[in-house]
Amino acid sequence: EAAVTQSPRNKVAVTGGKVTLSCNQTNNHNNMYWYRQDTGHGLRLIHYSYGAGSTEKGDIPDGYKASRPSQENFSLILELATPSQTSVYFCASGNRGGDERLFFGHGTKLSVL
Amino acid sequence: GEQVEQRPPHLSVREGDSAIIICTYTDSATAYFSWYKQEAGAGLQLLMSVLSNVDRKEEQGLTVLLNKKDKRLSLNLTAAHPGDSAVYFCAVSASNTDKVVFGTGTRLQVSP
Repeated sequence: EAAVTQSPRNKVAVTGGKVTLSCNQTNNHNNMYWYRQDTGHGLRLIHYSYGAGSTEKGDIPDGYKASRPSQENFSLILELATPSQTSVYFCASGNRGGDERLFFGHGTKLSVL
Repeated sequence: GEQVEQRPPHLSVREGDSAIIICTYTDSATAYFSWYKQEAGAGLQLLMSVLSNVDRKEEQGLTVLLNKKDKRLSLNLTAAHPGDSAVYFCAVSASNTDKVVFGTGTRLQVSP
């Protein structure tokens, strides 16, 4: 069973503070993704990565950075957190080559006060 | 870019009834189609995926239909039961990109 682990599970941050969300996968998948989930919007893609050292902008990248230091790890960074970034964030991993299945972590609930 | 619309946003059915969720997409290059289930407080779990050369796929009480002409993807839960209550998402991806775009979700409630 593919395994994607996110940390922390819950985070409360202050406006203007820096937040780092971490994701680790043990599936040896090439691709990793960060989505945020908000009522009425479903899942929206923030950043994704093809492999170690690569990061690509998704559909809503503003205010977020990403880092993929290794095959296993993919981080989402909020340099200056704002209340509008309060959301549930999901990390996922997957492979290409005709197989678009994604495996998701349990999510990180972020509240920016 | 790809736009995915999903309907209905909410669906209530009785146990034993069928439940149908529909997604429409815009990119004719879309090649990969999936359905995910999200239970309360959890991440998304893959239910079923199909490639663009498949029109119909059935597995364990679920039927996925793909109409490429109309750019429409549907999920049919035949004989739904309370354990099917969850939020369901469609997801699509074109063959020339690694981006996976999700629909807005359908909250399904199955009552006994």
